[in-house]
Amino acid sequence: EAAVTQSPRNKVTVTGGNVTLSCRQTNSHNYMYWYRQDTGHGLRLIHYSYGAGNLQIGDVPDGYKATRTTQEDFFLLLELASPSQTSLYFCASSWDNYAEQFFGPGTRLTVL
Amino acid sequence: GDKVKQSPSALSLQEGTNSALRCNFSIAATTVQWFLQNPRGSLINLFYLVPGTKENGRLKSAFDSKESYSTLHIRDAQLEDSGTYFCAARLYQGGRALIFGTGTTVSVSP
Repeated sequence: EAAVTQSPRNKVTVTGGNVTLSCRQTNSHNYMYWYRQDTGHGLRLIHYSYGAGNLQIGDVPDGYKATRTTQEDFFLLLELASPSQTSLYFCASSWDNYAEQFFGPGTRLTVL
Repeated sequence: GDKVKQSPSALSLQEGTNSALRCNFSIAATTVQWFLQNPRGSLINLFYLVPGTKENGRLKSAFDSKESYSTLHIRDAQLEDSGTYFCAARLYQGGRALIFGTGTTVSVSP
């Protein structure tokens, strides 16, 4: 079974703090994605990547950076966290951009 | 406006009954995925569809690309079917993003 893991599962930080969320997939998938989920909005795409060193902008990228260091690892960076970034963050992977996406368990981030 | 609209937003079912959830797309879609978000927050893949129909146990899903909608049917609802169901679609004019609906919250009671 393909696997997408995320760490940490929960994180609390303060306004202005620096946060890195990690995602690893063992699917040998080319594409990886970061989404945020907020009440009333479903999931929205922040950034995605189609391979190591590549980064593409999603629908809600403001305030976020991301980096894909290897085929397996994709990181989401919040360099100056704000309370509006309090959310549930999901990572996903897929073989190509039209294939089925598989999701990690999520990271709940609270910015005080 | 909403590119992927789900209905109903909430649904209460008794065990053993059947129901249908619907997803309408504002423009043509190429693929559709259905997920169940369980009470722990995990997203479980239910179906990945190109136009057509798939069935898995008590769940059945259809995607009609010409009429721009997809449905998820739950047959003989069980307590473990409770959770929030999301559809997500790749839209022809939506770039490469998977666009999510806002979900249908299903509560199954004995």
